[in-house]
Amino acid sequence: GESVGLHLPTLSVQEGDNSIINCAYSNSASDYFIWYKQESGKGPQFIIDIRSNMDKRQGQRVTVLLNKTVKHLSLQIAATQPGDSAVYFCAEIRSGTYKYIFGTGTRLKVLA
Amino acid sequence: DGGITQSPKYLFRKEGQNVTLSCEQNLNHDAMYWYRQDPGQGLRLIYYSQIVNDFQKGDIAEGYSVSREKKESFPLTVTSAQKNPTAFYLCASGTSGNTGELFFGEGSRLTVL
Repeated sequence: GESVGLHLPTLSVQEGDNSIINCAYSNSASDYFIWYKQESGKGPQFIIDIRSNMDKRQGQRVTVLLNKTVKHLSLQIAATQPGDSAVYFCAEIRSGTYKYIFGTGTRLKVLA
Repeated sequence: DGGITQSPKYLFRKEGQNVTLSCEQNLNHDAMYWYRQDPGQGLRLIYYSQIVNDFQKGDIAEGYSVSREKKESFPLTVTSAQKNPTAFYLCASGTSGNTGELFFGEGSRLTVL
């Protein structure tokens, strides 16, 4: 069935380096994508989103890239900080539905 | 401040008991959702509601029930029929008619003893 998944379950990066977290989606009908950050024992927090009519969107220290040709989504975090350590989820939603589909998540560990 | 409030944060239950998790939002959102999260897994949809007095089953609705009598409230009951209820439960809300982000509560951790 359709699903949203992640290539790497755990990513370790040095403090100050850039992080790239990847996500694959399977349904080309999805038109809205979101990245969430979840700290241990807490609810997910919105980071950034992108619609299917865009290829790139930038926020503060974060950039989301969407490649519709290969159904790939990525989150880039610049100058990774210890506070960035968390689990990151991607999510998709298809037009006309209310069913958000979440990936399994990638754990980002920032090394001092 | 606007947001979503879940309670209780931690809950222990004996087998055979029903428990109800509370979810309240003051964001004026029409849509509300309940997800279950297990270690190492993504969020799985239990129930969602697009509008007051209406709700739909998600992917894992068996053993759960909900109600949506008020726009602000979407309580989830974990019944004794749920075979493996120990999990982290997340409530979320969002706007309807215009696809956008979901806003999440801080979660409720249910442990069955």
